[in-house]
Formats: sequence, C-alpha cells, structure tokens
Amino acid sequence: QKEVEQNSGPLSVPEGAIASLNCTYSDRGSQSFFWYRQYSGKSPELIMFIYSNGDKEDGRFTAQLNKASQYVSLLIRDSQPSDSATYLCAAEGGADGLTFGKGTHLIIQP
Amino acid sequence: SQTIHQWPATLVQPVGSPLSLECTVEGTSNPNLYWYRQAAGRGLQLLFYSVGIGQISSEVPQNLSASRPQDRQFILSSKKLLLSDSGFYLCAWRVGGNTEAFFGQGTRLTVV
Repeated sequence: QKEVEQNSGPLSVPEGAIASLNCTYSDRGSQSFFWYRQYSGKSPELIMFIYSNGDKEDGRFTAQLNKASQYVSLLIRDSQPSDSATYLCAAEGGADGLTFGKGTHLIIQP
Repeated sequence: SQTIHQWPATLVQPVGSPLSLECTVEGTSNPNLYWYRQAAGRGLQLLFYSVGIGQISSEVPQNLSASRPQDRQFILSSKKLLLSDSGFYLCAWRVGGNTEAFFGQGTRLTVV
C-alpha cells in the first residue's frame, strides 16, 4: 500500500517568513514527486515537481528531495497571504497515477 | 495547449438517484485519465484510472463505475447514489511516465 504522509496543520507563518512543508512516502520505487496547491473549493494546481535528490528552486519555491530518507519538502520564501492554502504532496507510482497526502493547511498571517 | 473540462461544477442529488459526471481533455492524444474523490477533511482518493479506450482499472470497491468511450472522454457513473458518495470529484489527466497530473475544475456532489 503506497502512502504519503503529511502533517495536516494548520501551519501558521507570519507574512514575509519562510514556510516549510514536509512529507514522507512509503514506496521506495517512486521516482518523482509533486507539490500541489489547493485553495478552498478549488481543484489542485501544480506548483513544482522534483525527480532528483537535492534542491530545486523556482522563484519563491524550493523543493527538496531525499530518497534515502523518503522525505520531500517544500519551502516558500517571503510568504504572502495569497500563499494561504492547502498544500498536497504526491508521489508517482506508475500508470495508476499519483498517490497524494492529505495535505497541510498553511495560513500566512499578515 | 492542453485543457480539461469537467462538468457540472455542483450537483445536488437525492439518495438512490443515478449519477453521470463527464470529463473531456483537449490538445493531447491517448492521455491517462483519472477520477479522484476528495471527501471533507480527507485526501484525494483514486477511484478509477484508464490508460486507453475501454480500459478501466478500479482502485476502490464501491457503487461507482467509469467508462472511457472515446480517447479523451472519461465518465463516472452510479446507478444509485448513497449519502457516502458526497464529495468533491476531480478528473485528471497525465501523459504517462513520471509526469504530473492536471486537474479539471471538479464537481461538488452533495447527496441528500
């Protein structure tokens, strides 16, 4: 059974600070990992993906992957109130699609 | 560019009534298609996926079914809805391999 675990939160971060979101996955065969942002009542939208160990940066977002520890994280620098949302971590598992965590609810306090 | 259309956006149905949700993808051929359900306070649960016309795999036993009558069309159905079928239903597509999934706008289903 493939699983992706996330702390449900809420995670409260002051505006301008760094938000750190984490997840772990159970399937060592997973090759790629994704972070989605989901606003209340809306569908998930892709923020970043990462395939290789290490860091990947895109604007204010940095994804980090450690396959040995089966750990993925997302850092959001200079957090803005518009970053307040639920962040879903997903692991690739083959043709049957992505396995999602339950998401972390992030609140950016102005 | 690729787009995915899902309708309706919201739906209120009585217990025991049938259901049909439709999803279509434009701008790509032979996509992998998925139906997910997101219940309140819970994560995304994979219900069905399809790698080609007429090919449906079910992940969770339930009173729902799926069909793929055309390459870019995916339909979720039920003959008799249960209260527990309420939730946010999401259609998604991928090109396959280690690629991301793209979601439709979702259908908020409330069974009363």
